[in-house]
Amino acid sequence: DGGITQSPKYLFRKEGQNVTLSCEQNLNHDAMYWYRQDPGQGLRLIYYSQIVNDFQKGDIAEGYSVSREKKESFPLTVTSAQKNPTAFYLCASSITESTDTQYFGPGTRLTVL
Amino acid sequence: EDKVVQSPLSLVVHEGDTVTLNCSYEVTNFRSLLWYKQEKKAPTFLFMLTSSGIEKKSGRLSSILDKKELSSILNITATQTGDSAIYLCAVEALTNFGNEKLTFGTGTRLTIIP
Repeated sequence: DGGITQSPKYLFRKEGQNVTLSCEQNLNHDAMYWYRQDPGQGLRLIYYSQIVNDFQKGDIAEGYSVSREKKESFPLTVTSAQKNPTAFYLCASSITESTDTQYFGPGTRLTVL
Repeated sequence: EDKVVQSPLSLVVHEGDTVTLNCSYEVTNFRSLLWYKQEKKAPTFLFMLTSSGIEKKSGRLSSILDKKELSSILNITATQTGDSAIYLCAVEALTNFGNEKLTFGTGTRLTIIP
């Protein structure tokens, strides 16, 4: 099956811990994105990557880090510096960064206890 | 599995025309339906609909939810070239764990010809 997957679906973290969310795609897309969605709000861009070994900060990058060592994978680490990490995290990919159509994964719900 | 279907997949109209975009869904524990406009990197939030039959309006854009028919429409009147974008519909649902999850449709690509 072609698509974009995220794991885990639900994640619980204690305050002060770092946690990494996985995002994998087998669509051969160059560009990948991480968004955060909070109840009643729109999506906000955290980081995006146009190509392997390159990534750029989005609107709310503070407290997050990413890597793009492989084309298929774009993991997001939520660090202890992120003040309000409880949210729904969505990963997306597109053929190139200039292409409008983004395909979204199923999301990961992170809850900080 | 939750499903969100948008139609048409693409639409080309002339400036000044009125368009109607459709979104239908099959989800368990529906919470809300959201419309986004996607032009560049991040989709822009347009509307959030939770109650059936109540129209939300913002300028030339309006949207309404029909919970009985499990669908929503997005209307754009007097279209302008700046309305050209992909319009995404997403449905927020409550999971068995009591959390929310968001399922996106594939979008409708709208092109406005001057």
